[in-house]
Amino acid sequence: GDSVTQMEGPVTLSEEAFLTINCTYTATGYPSLFWYVQYPGEGLQLLLKATKADDKGSNKGFEATYRKETTSFHLEKGSVQVSDSAVYFCALTGGTSYGKLTFGQGTILTVHP
Amino acid sequence: EPEVTQTPSHQVTQMGQEVILRCVPISNHLYFYWYRQILGQKVEFLVSFYNNEISEKSEIFDDQFSVERPDGSNFTLKIRSTKLEDSAMYFCASSEARGALNSPLHFGNGTRLTVT
Repeated sequence: GDSVTQMEGPVTLSEEAFLTINCTYTATGYPSLFWYVQYPGEGLQLLLKATKADDKGSNKGFEATYRKETTSFHLEKGSVQVSDSAVYFCALTGGTSYGKLTFGQGTILTVHP
Repeated sequence: EPEVTQTPSHQVTQMGQEVILRCVPISNHLYFYWYRQILGQKVEFLVSFYNNEISEKSEIFDDQFSVERPDGSNFTLKIRSTKLEDSAMYFCASSEARGALNSPLHFGNGTRLTVT
């Protein structure tokens, strides 16, 4: 079946540091890929998505590129802020998962001033 | 902005008891979902619901689980006889159209279920 693997966390950075959170996937066919974010005390929110190979999703300074050759969708941000502290989830739909999301385990990001 | 609301935020129950988790999806949404996250593990799909019936369910969603839309606004998840391993954060979600590709899922803040 489909699966998503995220880098182990937690990740701790200083403000303005560069962020990368790795995500790789296994799926049949051509899944769509997502990053969701969960801020403290809130539900999961869609951060960005990409629906086909080489697509780049972007939002709030975050970017991720759908790499079919490496089956990856790494999340990056050039300069993180304290307000980016949250849990980040990589997810996919499609393949055998059409109609539902398959999530990675989540990565806790803490940004210090 | 409209949001999905879940109650209660934390539910403690004894093993073997029935529990009902409640959700109010966004009003014009037609598709409803339950996910759960056991502490330290992945967020897992449980069930999707459309037009008053289950459209898809995972192998986790066995006979102990049921979902219902008892009126025009609520969407509930019932666990008939809770087990220790049911302890998890349960997320409700809704979307306008089927599948995360066609329209984004909007999630609630979750209900933390603790079975003792």
